[in-house]
Amino acid sequence: QKEVEQNSGPLSVPEGAIASLNCTYSDRGSQSFFWYRQYSGKSPELIMSIYSNGDKEDGRFTAQLNKASQYVSLLIRDSQPSDSATYLCAAPRDGAGSYQLTFGKGTKLSVIP
Amino acid sequence: DTGVSQNPRHKITKRGQNVTFRCDPISEHNRLYWYRQTLGQGPEFLTYFQNEAQLEKSRLLSDRFSAERPKGSFSTLEIQRTEQGDSAMYLCASSPRNQETQYFGPGTRLLVL
Repeated sequence: QKEVEQNSGPLSVPEGAIASLNCTYSDRGSQSFFWYRQYSGKSPELIMSIYSNGDKEDGRFTAQLNKASQYVSLLIRDSQPSDSATYLCAAPRDGAGSYQLTFGKGTKLSVIP
Repeated sequence: DTGVSQNPRHKITKRGQNVTFRCDPISEHNRLYWYRQTLGQGPEFLTYFQNEAQLEKSRLLSDRFSAERPKGSFSTLEIQRTEQGDSAMYLCASSPRNQETQYFGPGTRLLVL
């Protein structure tokens, strides 16, 4: 069973702080990873994708991938109340070449003003 | 460029009735996916189309579920003889050719009474 694991939270951070969200995966063959943001009652919205070891930055968001340790993280700098949402980590099931995504249960983030 | 659209957005039905949902992917996206999401869980893969061909089906997709994409454009998901356990958010996503990134529609929220 290929799995993606996330701490369900809730994770509370003060406004302006860095929020750190973590995800581990079991399939060593996974080559790509995706972070989605989901507001309550809404559908997932893509934030970032990452394919290579190291960091990838996009505005206030940085995704980090460590394939040797099988974890991927998302850092949100200067957290804002509007960042309060559930963050979903996803990877293609069965590694490279599969198109179905396996999602973690999500980490609920609360940014406190 | 418009996003993925889904109709209806909400559906309330009685146990035993049939329901059908429609998904219109982003224009020129050749891959289309259906997922189901229940409260506190990440989306779970149901099925996937490349153009008009249904290429993958989850074991979650019982015989009561059927999906079509007759002309490689919009898709329909039908649930026959609905059960209370079918209550969930049904999400559609699409991907452009040669990309793994999936873009989600707003979802159809189903409540079976």
